[in-house]
Amino acid sequence: IAGITQAPTSQILAAGRRMTLRCTQDMRHNAMYWYRQDLGLGLRLIHYSNTAGTTGKGEVPDGYSVSRANTDDFPLTLASAVPSQTSVYFCASSDVGTGELFFGEGSRLTVL
Amino acid sequence: GQNIDQPTEMTATEGAIVQINCTYQTSGFNGLFWYQQHAGEAPTFLSYNVLDGLEEKGRFSSFLSRSKGYSYLLLKELQMKDSASYLCAVSDSNYQLIWGAGTKLIIKP
Repeated sequence: IAGITQAPTSQILAAGRRMTLRCTQDMRHNAMYWYRQDLGLGLRLIHYSNTAGTTGKGEVPDGYSVSRANTDDFPLTLASAVPSQTSVYFCASSDVGTGELFFGEGSRLTVL
Repeated sequence: GQNIDQPTEMTATEGAIVQINCTYQTSGFNGLFWYQQHAGEAPTFLSYNVLDGLEEKGRFSSFLSRSKGYSYLLLKELQMKDSASYLCAVSDSNYQLIWGAGTKLIIKP
């Protein structure tokens, strides 16, 4: 593993299904983030974590949950997917207090 | 509210110079960042400005005026591979990044 790995890279799922997007980093960064990116809009922060064991809500947290059991992993869960959650999801990491983020390759999610 | 504005799309010619502007209104300021994002790929870090002035890095330069809430990214000697979206982001008082919608740069031969 080098950098940040996201899985799956692409997924189609039915509305109402539960889905977890996985994110793993090997850079020992304290801070991790989940963003969604939609056409015509900037990256919007869903949830973040400044250190293992803590999480915080971003700009658009509704319908999503996260956990940070250790430094490396930061999964994002959609408890009951809805079509408005169709988007490209990016996981990122950084040293706390810096804005130089390192992004994963993204997960393209389509909810039908 | 917090706001980052940048043009939606720009077109330039290979070998030329292009300037992409970004204006911002945020609660607090802890630096301004530019990222490059090729279509279908993840954003990658380009530059960081926290003090007024110009930061040069090869063919790319970034300028900041905190009093005007303004930055620009200058790309010189444009190459076809520079075709991408350029994202402006500001770190606010809580060190959270506020992102602009991005400027899609199209380079023509």
